[in-house]
Amino acid sequence: GAVVSQHPSRVICKSGTSVKIECRSLDFQATTMFWYRQFPKQSLMLMATSNEGSKATYEQGVEKDKFLINHASLTLSTLTVTSAHPEDSSFYICSALPLGGFRNQPQHFGDGTRLSIL
Amino acid sequence: AQSVTQLDSHVSVSEGTPVLLRCNYSSSYSPSLFWYVQHPNKGLQLLLKYTSAATLVKGINGFEAEFKKSETSFHLTKPSAHMSDAAEYFCVMSEDYGQNFVFGPGTRLSVLP
Repeated sequence: GAVVSQHPSRVICKSGTSVKIECRSLDFQATTMFWYRQFPKQSLMLMATSNEGSKATYEQGVEKDKFLINHASLTLSTLTVTSAHPEDSSFYICSALPLGGFRNQPQHFGDGTRLSIL
Repeated sequence: AQSVTQLDSHVSVSEGTPVLLRCNYSSSYSPSLFWYVQHPNKGLQLLLKYTSAATLVKGINGFEAEFKKSETSFHLTKPSAHMSDAAEYFCVMSEDYGQNFVFGPGTRLSVLP
């Protein structure tokens, strides 16, 4: 089956640090990847949609200068949380949409990254 | 407007008894519907999906769901709960075959010994 690898699984760092999270589709190509944020005991909130070779589309209220997204290839998207502060602490999950076959293959999710800013 | 409702934020069952997790949706189209499970500190795993084929959908781990258009529902069931089923369950709707998702708020399933 389609596998999405997300790395790192957990990050603890000091306030002001920038943190990069990688999302890779291991055995399929994905023109579209999604980045979600999940607060404790809540559902997933879409932050941005990332398309290979073009600028990401951010949801309303998400700061694009704060959450930098790069989708340089059909198998890799990165989310960089710049100058992270404690309020950025959260669980971040990526997903990838297989190229061309979305009728039978919806988004496939990574295992998430727990970000804790001290 | 499109939306997904999961009426129960928490469901608790005893091991070996049936599981019912409720999901209702609102859509102007004929949507695709999905159930995902999330274990603690993990991503989402697809349990099953409905994409306008058979209305009774069988998924992994003994779960199944029935699409009822007249009731705008897509409830998830399992005949006999196992301890490993304890997790968060999300009902998800898509009006474009999984390109864009609308998430329900989730239902936490507890399984008691």
